[in-house]
Amino acid sequence: GQQLNQSPQSMFIQEGEDVSMNCTSSSIFNTWLWYKQDPGEGPVLLIALYKAGELTSNGRLTAQFGTTRKDSFLNISASIPSDVGIYFCAGEPPAGGTSYGKLTFGQGTILTVHP
Amino acid sequence: DVKVTQSSRYLVKRTGEKVFLECVQDMDHENMFWYRQDPGLGLRLIYFSYDVKMKEKGDIPEGYSVSREKKERFSLILESASTNQTSMYLCASSIPGQFNEKLFFGSGTQLSVL
Repeated sequence: GQQLNQSPQSMFIQEGEDVSMNCTSSSIFNTWLWYKQDPGEGPVLLIALYKAGELTSNGRLTAQFGTTRKDSFLNISASIPSDVGIYFCAGEPPAGGTSYGKLTFGQGTILTVHP
Repeated sequence: DVKVTQSSRYLVKRTGEKVFLECVQDMDHENMFWYRQDPGLGLRLIYFSYDVKMKEKGDIPEGYSVSREKKERFSLILESASTNQTSMYLCASSIPGQFNEKLFFGSGTQLSVL
């Protein structure tokens, strides 16, 4: 299947710092999504992006759909302890391919926030 | 709120055992999915179902099968568990449409095969 490369794999930051993570692919995607998984829970959708170049915010979170349709970025501003968790990017391929309708997930970024 | 419930939070099984992981959703969603989550590999799709009695292979179906006899229930079956199937298993459901992004996940089942 298609591959998504998510980086960094882990981050250790101080409360109040900003965070950036990204996903890249060799294939184009029609939709880019960002999920967060709290410890002991399943992933929850944070932001969905539908158009190349789109920039969307959700509180302190901002995500962008890359203009090439092969990458996406997530930024968290002024981090707080409850931002701790695993962040996943996911992409939905274009219609017509065998993978249409199935999401491909990145490897995840483990975020630790020190008070 | 949509609720996706996985029957067990932790399971410990022996090699060769037949294992059933159960998932139930309460929002009448047509689509249901089984993923496994491994450190450094993210979430990988095992099987999915778009309707009752319908199933399709995901990216890593080997060693697994599924059953969808009722709309709300989607079971993952390990016919003969092996140690390399030790993992976190996540069930999800969604409403069909142009985008499948509205995935609602259960809390996961951590399976250990000894």
